[in-house]
Amino acid sequence: QKEVEQDPGPLSVPEGAIVSLNCTYSNSAFQYFMWYRQYSRKGPELLMYTYSSGNKEDGRFTAQVDKSSKYISLFIRDSQPSDSATYLCAMKAGGGNKLTFGTGTQLKVEL
Amino acid sequence: SQTIHQWPATLVQPVGSPLSLECTVEGTSNPNLYWYRQAAGRGLQLLFYSVGIGQISSEVPQNLSASRPQDRQFILSSKKLLLSDSGFYLCAWVTVRYTFGSGTRLTVV
Repeated sequence: QKEVEQDPGPLSVPEGAIVSLNCTYSNSAFQYFMWYRQYSRKGPELLMYTYSSGNKEDGRFTAQVDKSSKYISLFIRDSQPSDSATYLCAMKAGGGNKLTFGTGTQLKVEL
Repeated sequence: SQTIHQWPATLVQPVGSPLSLECTVEGTSNPNLYWYRQAAGRGLQLLFYSVGIGQISSEVPQNLSASRPQDRQFILSSKKLLLSDSGFYLCAWVTVRYTFGSGTRLTVV
């Protein structure tokens, strides 16, 4: 079993839809949770960064962490074609900098 | 400002040839630097990380090596490439959060 599971998609939605992206994990030591957006042939860029359980909102993006269920989500409201990319979840334990990544979900927002 | 540079962007190399990918950072000193490989459907695999000059830690046994000759320079190398070395290679600089370079797409033919 992988430490972090993420549905690879592809996920196709119409413009304006609410998108839900999810990851599950098995390591209870993970405390820091991140979402990265990666456009084709580019490096990942950090979207959201959260510590422990709870919600965090930034514009159209909301990250949720449920440590009791070992489940994290990223919601995108009013999705735009420019949101079309691969979204990677990542997480790490309290000590050190080593990140464990999900495989990424490919999202396409269509006009 | 703090930036990370990675080159080349694309590389096609024959099997058995050597490899050298370079990553440099600007605007900081003594950064923690990482090399990742991204293969389709497999996410990002950590290859090497370095906390200082000459200090290299390897995460997985492989055909690659890394070196940190200067504080802000991290190099990924191979003496003889294999087909399985093809992939998208990413350098990352870590403070509290990761900042990735733009990546090198390597195709071994």
